[in-house]
Amino acid sequence: RKEVEQDPGPFNVPEGATVAFNCTYSNSASQSFFWYRQDCRKEPKLLMSVYSSGNEDGRFTAQLNRASQYISLLIRDSKLSDSATYLCVVNIGRGRRALTFGSGTRLQVQP
Amino acid sequence: GAVVSQHPSWVICKSGTSVKIECRSLDFQATTMFWYRQFPKQSLMLMATSNEGSKATYEQGVEKDKFLINHASLTLSTLTVTSAHPEDSSFYICSAQRRIAGEVDTQYFGPGTRLTVL
Repeated sequence: RKEVEQDPGPFNVPEGATVAFNCTYSNSASQSFFWYRQDCRKEPKLLMSVYSSGNEDGRFTAQLNRASQYISLLIRDSKLSDSATYLCVVNIGRGRRALTFGSGTRLQVQP
Repeated sequence: GAVVSQHPSWVICKSGTSVKIECRSLDFQATTMFWYRQFPKQSLMLMATSNEGSKATYEQGVEKDKFLINHASLTLSTLTVTSAHPEDSSFYICSAQRRIAGEVDTQYFGPGTRLTVL
């Protein structure tokens, strides 16, 4: 089983739509959670950290469910510029500082 | 946000040559940097953790004698792919960890280096 699993998509949605991505992680001791965005042939860029209480940044809302070991990302009012691959990222802790990446979910927002 | 640079951004080389990639944190000091590799349509895979002033920690299956890592200062880590072969062709990305007291450690990524070995 992969440490971080995501639906690869692609999710094809019209502009203005609301879209949600889920991600599950296998290590219950994981400590930190993030969503990164990666455009084609570019490096990943931090979109937002994910906190247990849930957090929102403009059109983006992230939530963490530790009991079920999943993380979600909600994008409201999708823009064409939101088209990218969204990476679910986990720090499993236990002295390991590196991040573990999901394979990403591809989003294509269409006009 | 914090800035991390990588050089070169792309390189094409002949099989058997060595390629050196630099990763710099421009506006913060990073005691820890990471090197990842990404093959087409796959996720980033951690290759090694680079620790300033000490030996790198390699992930299982990554040959330390082939991928030489040096982290000589708090702002620079280098990855040298020795005797490169076509199967080493990939997108190599570094990240630098920024630690701010009271906040979650955050990794900032360099723009990546696309290596093509002929």
